[in-house]
Amino acid sequence: TQLLEQSPQFLSIQEGENLTVYCNSSSVFSSLQWYRQEPGEGPVLLVTVVTGGEVKKLKRLTFQFGDARKDSSLHITAAQPGDTGLYLCAVSNSGGSNYKLTFGKGTLLTVNP
Amino acid sequence: DAGVIQSPRHEVTEMGQEVTLRCKPISGHDYLFWYRQTMMRGLELLIYFNNNVPIDDSGMPEDRFSAKMPNASFSTLKIQPSEPRDSAVYFCASSYALAGGPRDTQYFGPGTRLTVL
Repeated sequence: TQLLEQSPQFLSIQEGENLTVYCNSSSVFSSLQWYRQEPGEGPVLLVTVVTGGEVKKLKRLTFQFGDARKDSSLHITAAQPGDTGLYLCAVSNSGGSNYKLTFGKGTLLTVNP
Repeated sequence: DAGVIQSPRHEVTEMGQEVTLRCKPISGHDYLFWYRQTMMRGLELLIYFNNNVPIDDSGMPEDRFSAKMPNASFSTLKIQPSEPRDSAVYFCASSYALAGGPRDTQYFGPGTRLTVL
C-alpha cells in the first residue's frame, strides 16, 4: 500500500485548459511538498504546504492542503506546453533519527500545443 | 553554483559487472541523499549522509549496494554485482538542513540512467 496516492496517473490536455491533480493519504502530515520533474532532469521543489486548509499560489499554479492535512491538490489554470512534466507530492516523517522523504508515484502531465 | 552534479548521465552494463555512480553535492550542503526511480516503485530514498557520515541506509535494497562519502564534495553509489532489476534512474540530492524550514529544500541532480542487460 502506497503512503501517498496520486491521481490521475496520466493526464493529457490541450493548451489553455485547466486541470487538477490530487495527492491523498489516510495519514496526517505536518507538511507536504509538491515537485515537478521534467524529462531527463531531477525533481524541483515547487511549494511546501504546512497548515490545514492552506492555499498557496505560484503564478498559474494553486496548491491546497486539506483541512485534515491528509490530502492536497494542485490546480493549473490555462495550462501551457511548458507545464509538461511529472508532478510529485512528498511528505517527510521529520523528527528523530528515522528521517525519510516519501514520494507519491506522480501524475504525468502532457500539455499539447 | 553549478548545482548537484552526477556522472555518468547514462550507463549501460552487463549483468554481473560492477557499477559506480558519482555525485558532487552543492557546496556547503551538509546532507546528501541517494534515490532510485522506477516506473513500478516511483522515487525511493536509498541512503542519506550528514557531514559525510551515513545516517540511514535502510532503503538500500541489498548488500550488493554500497555508498560512500569520503569528503564533503564527493559521494559514490556502487552496485556489485549488478542485475537487470537494478535498471533505474539514480538521483543524488543535497540540502543544508534535514527537515523543518526553508533550508531543508533538497536539490536534485539530473540523475544517472542505468541499464543492466
